[in-house]
Amino acid sequence: DAGITQSPRHKVTETGTPVTLRCHQTENHRYMYWYRQDPGHGLRLIHYSYGVKDTDKGEVSDGYSVSRSKTEDFLLTLESATSSQTSVYFCAISRQGRNEKLFFGSGTQLSVL
Amino acid sequence: GQQLNQSPQSMFIQEGEDVSMNCTSSSIFNTWLWYKQDPGEGPVLLIALYKAGELTSNGRLTAQFGITRKDSFLNISASIPSDVGIYFCAGPDNYGQNFVFGPGTRLSVLP
Repeated sequence: DAGITQSPRHKVTETGTPVTLRCHQTENHRYMYWYRQDPGHGLRLIHYSYGVKDTDKGEVSDGYSVSRSKTEDFLLTLESATSSQTSVYFCAISRQGRNEKLFFGSGTQLSVL
Repeated sequence: GQQLNQSPQSMFIQEGEDVSMNCTSSSIFNTWLWYKQDPGEGPVLLIALYKAGELTSNGRLTAQFGITRKDSFLNISASIPSDVGIYFCAGPDNYGQNFVFGPGTRLSVLP
């Protein structure tokens, strides 16, 4: 158990509504990541954080924003959800970044109708 | 950009058989990570490799960091039903703080 909790585990929402997914870690790791996993596309990076209030975009960041006000929490917000954002979202953490082990949460299944 | 290829894409084996799968790239990696993902769950880290030629075991799993640093191998000995899942390789990209992931090898174990 890597000490990562994602909430909610499942969510169904309607197009155009805002959605926030939460990732909470108990490891005090510096780096936190949000990925989405889709058939045929594998795991794709949405945003990541390298410290409190320090975030950067990944390869599929359009339509998503993030915030990290505390070391342990990393929030992913869909300002206005679209059907193309239906996916499984994974949070991941790493102690030192890209040359260190990456640990994943259990995921959030999001369906946008 | 950097890409990781995994082979085979899928495999069906009998319980008790040994399994071999690999991960290759056209570019060099300094770290190799191997994950297993069960349905409805997040990827779980199995083995991490940090040095060319390194051979590391975790129970029935053994992984090797290729000498060229462009490949890695994962072996599972005496497979059991709970080995079923998708196995991913991953490594850090060279451009930022991201990781590159392979497409996965789907393993099915027949009783």
